[in-house]
Amino acid sequence: GIQVEQSPPDLILQEGANSTLRCNFSDSVNNLQWFHQNPWGQLINLFYIPSGTKQNGRLSATTVATERYSLLYISSSQTTDSGVYFCAVDRGGYNNNDMRFGAGTRLTVKP
Amino acid sequence: DVKVTQSSRYLVKRTGEKVFLECVQDMDHENMFWYRQDPGLGLRLIYFSYDVKMKEKGDIPEGYSVSREKKERFSLILESASTNQTSMYLCASTPEDAPGEQFFGPGTRLTVL
Repeated sequence: GIQVEQSPPDLILQEGANSTLRCNFSDSVNNLQWFHQNPWGQLINLFYIPSGTKQNGRLSATTVATERYSLLYISSSQTTDSGVYFCAVDRGGYNNNDMRFGAGTRLTVKP
Repeated sequence: DVKVTQSSRYLVKRTGEKVFLECVQDMDHENMFWYRQDPGLGLRLIYFSYDVKMKEKGDIPEGYSVSREKKERFSLILESASTNQTSMYLCASTPEDAPGEQFFGPGTRLTVL
C-alpha cells in the first residue's frame, strides 16, 4: 500500500508564529485530506486537496501531486490550533478501502 | 454540515463482554467506515460498508463484526471484548459523489478491563 510520511512529528510554537507541516506519499494518489484531531479526539476535516492550493482563514494547503507531497500552512497560530494534524491519501476509485493515514504531526501552541 | 455521531464518547467494559458501538450519519452517505486509533500505529481500518447490508473487511477485522441494516447507521460489534481492543474508535462516512472526502464522528474511547 501507499506509504505516508509526515514531518515533523512534533512541533512546539509560540502563539502568533507560523508553521509548515509536510506530507510525503510514496505513490500517485487521487484523494488527499488534511485533518486536525483536537485534544478530545475529534477528527476535523481541514482540506480535501488532491491537487492545487486552498485557503481557509489562517490555514492553507498545497498539494503537488506530481512530486508526491502536500504542505499545510498555519499562520498566526493560536492555542486552539494545538492537537495532531493528519494527512490521509488513497488512490481513489470505487473501492475506497486503500486510504492511508500518516502518523501525524503533534502541534503544541504555547500562549 | 455533515453530522456523524457516535453513541458514546467513553465506554468501559469487561473482558468477554459483547460491545456495540453505534455510528449514525445524517447526510444520506453511501459509504461508512470504522477505524481504530492507537499510539504509534495511527488509524487503521477495521471494516467498511458501501451500502445497506454490505460490508467489507479492512486491515484489522479480527475480533470485530459490523452491521448495516439502515443506510444511516453502521454498528461495530466486539463479540467478546479483550484488553487489546482498548482503543479509540472512529467512525467516518463519505458521499457517493466524493468518496475520497471523509467526515468523522467524535470518536469512542473504549477501555476493556
